Order: sequence, then structure tokens, then C-alpha cells
Amino acid sequence: DAGITQSPRHKVTETGTPVTLRCHQTENHRYMYWYRQDPGHGLRLIHYSYGVKDTDKGEVSDGYSVSRSKTEDFLLTLESATSSQTSVYFCAISESSDSGYEQYFGPGTRLTVT
Amino acid sequence: QKEVEQNSGPLSVPEGAIASLNCTYSDRVSQSFFWYRQYSGKSPELIMSIYSNGDKEDGRFTAQLNKASQYVSLLIRDSQPSDSATYLCAVNIRSGNKLVFGAGTILRVKS
Repeated sequence: DAGITQSPRHKVTETGTPVTLRCHQTENHRYMYWYRQDPGHGLRLIHYSYGVKDTDKGEVSDGYSVSRSKTEDFLLTLESATSSQTSVYFCAISESSDSGYEQYFGPGTRLTVT
Repeated sequence: QKEVEQNSGPLSVPEGAIASLNCTYSDRVSQSFFWYRQYSGKSPELIMSIYSNGDKEDGRFTAQLNKASQYVSLLIRDSQPSDSATYLCAVNIRSGNKLVFGAGTILRVKS
């Protein structure tokens, strides 16, 4: 258990509304990530952070923004939710090792946009 | 061509057999390779990491890496019904702290 929580765990929202998902970690890891997982696509990186206020885009960043004002919290915002953003969202943290960066995942948030 | 490719399966093996899961990747400079297990409705769980050519064993799991062939595999010995899950291959592409995931292989172990 890497001490990662996500909230909410489930959410149903309407098209056009803003939505914010929260990822919270307790172990001061530098790197945090947001992924979405859809059938047939696997995990796709949305945004990631390499420190407080340091973020960068991933593979599928359109329609999403992120913020990291504290080490422990990484927020993902859907600015105006669309049905195509119905998905399961996972947060991950990274621990560096000798040659790579092992990532550990939170429990996920299931988001449905109606 | 996808950056990380896996056969989607399902791969069905009898209990006690060896399950062999395969993954190919496109970026020749990749240095880190990971296998995750994901049960239905749960989050991915890291089970193996490998960085050097050759084999790495951990209990019933063996990861094999061949950088020349851009190929990484996971062997599960003495497969159990509890091993039934989706196995995700992940590779660091271009940048050390970002991973690209394959779509996963569904493994079914039949008792």
C-alpha cells in the first residue's frame, strides 16, 4: 500500500459540468500521475507532476487540467465534462529505483458522464 | 504501430501449468520494464520490474528481457486460479519517469 487515496470513488455527472477528482498521498513522493483506463485502450496518461506546481501533459490531455499546490495532493479537473470522458481514472505515484521509476496506483475513480 | 503491444487473449491455461505472457515495445532506448496484475474492478498492482537483459525471478514469477529483440515476457509457474487477471506490460518511453502501458493480456487459469 503506497498510501494513495482517491476521491470520490464513484461519480455520476451531467455533460457540460466541471468535475474535480482528488488524489492524496501520504509519503511525499515527488512524481504523481493521472491515467484513464478504457476497454481496449489500456492505461493512458493524462497529466503528470514532477513537483509542487510542476506539471506536464500526457498522451490524452485535451479537456483536462491539473493542479498541485501541495506535495500530497494532485487534482484533476474536467473543465466541461463530455460523455467521452466516462472512464475509470487512476492516480499513481512514482518511487525511483536504481534504474527506473516504479509506479504504484490508487484505488481508482469511476466517472460516468450522462 | 503501438509503442507497447500485447496479445489481448484470453490466454487459458490449466491449473499447475506455466503461463507465458509476452510484450513487445518500439522504443530502442527504453530502460525500465514492468509487469502489473489487475483484477476485475481493481487497480493495477506492480508484480515485477526488470532493467537488464536476462531473467529475473521472484517466487512463481519470472520476467525475461531481450532488449535486442525489444521483447519482455512474464512466466507464471504453477498457475493458480487466483492468477486469473489482466496482466499489463509497461515500458518507460523516451523519458525516465513516464510509462506507456500495453492494453493487457487476460489470463484465465482453469481448475
